[in-house]
Amino acid sequence: EAGVTQFPSHSVIEKGQTVTLRCDPISGHDNLYWYRRVMGKEIKFLLHFVKESKQDESGMPNNRFLAERTGGTYSTLKVQPAELEDSGVYFCASSQQDLRLGSYGYTFGSGTRLTVV
Amino acid sequence: AQSVTQLGSHVSVSEGALVLLRCNYSSSVPPYLFWYVQYPNQGLQLLLKYTSAATLVKGINGFEAEFKKSETSFHLTKPSAHLSDAAEYFCAVSRMDSNYQLIWGAGTKLIIKP
Repeated sequence: EAGVTQFPSHSVIEKGQTVTLRCDPISGHDNLYWYRRVMGKEIKFLLHFVKESKQDESGMPNNRFLAERTGGTYSTLKVQPAELEDSGVYFCASSQQDLRLGSYGYTFGSGTRLTVV
Repeated sequence: AQSVTQLGSHVSVSEGALVLLRCNYSSSVPPYLFWYVQYPNQGLQLLLKYTSAATLVKGINGFEAEFKKSETSFHLTKPSAHLSDAAEYFCAVSRMDSNYQLIWGAGTKLIIKP
């Protein structure tokens, strides 16, 4: 099966611009997660979708970040306007509805490296 | 609250030597624990996971980890390092009270000396 796909793989934008990251989960995976790693720090949870619904968005840093998952398939994460501190690697992961991780667990995408200059 | 501590941001070992990457966690409930690896320019790949079954967990590429509840540890080991093991390794604990989101350690970069 195809894995989790993220694009772009890299993005360099100027402060104040808008950037949209996309994640295509594994087909049939209801759960979709966004994580972020800012340079030199831990990977942090951003939000969790179950199908098209936001289950938990407690990790979203501020209202400049907007995530959507229309139709419960792919998801986008928009940053508008981007700030310098938004630079980092954004990871997406998906898992099946059954959250017994002993059986399934997550599959991660390769990440999008965002650089705001 | 759950948290993960990885000791050592960088660990250097010689090729063929034992690899030991340390991970300690805190959790008020039985945790699920994970080790992920990120090779240069690649995504996060699951090495192994502990989900309350056997305490000694074997993963891919010859890695294994032992869950020690009394020490709240989940250290990652490999008997003999290979040059291809050079990567960054992440320990993570799952929050069962919050949709199984992962809480991550800061990561350890493993350097293999020829």
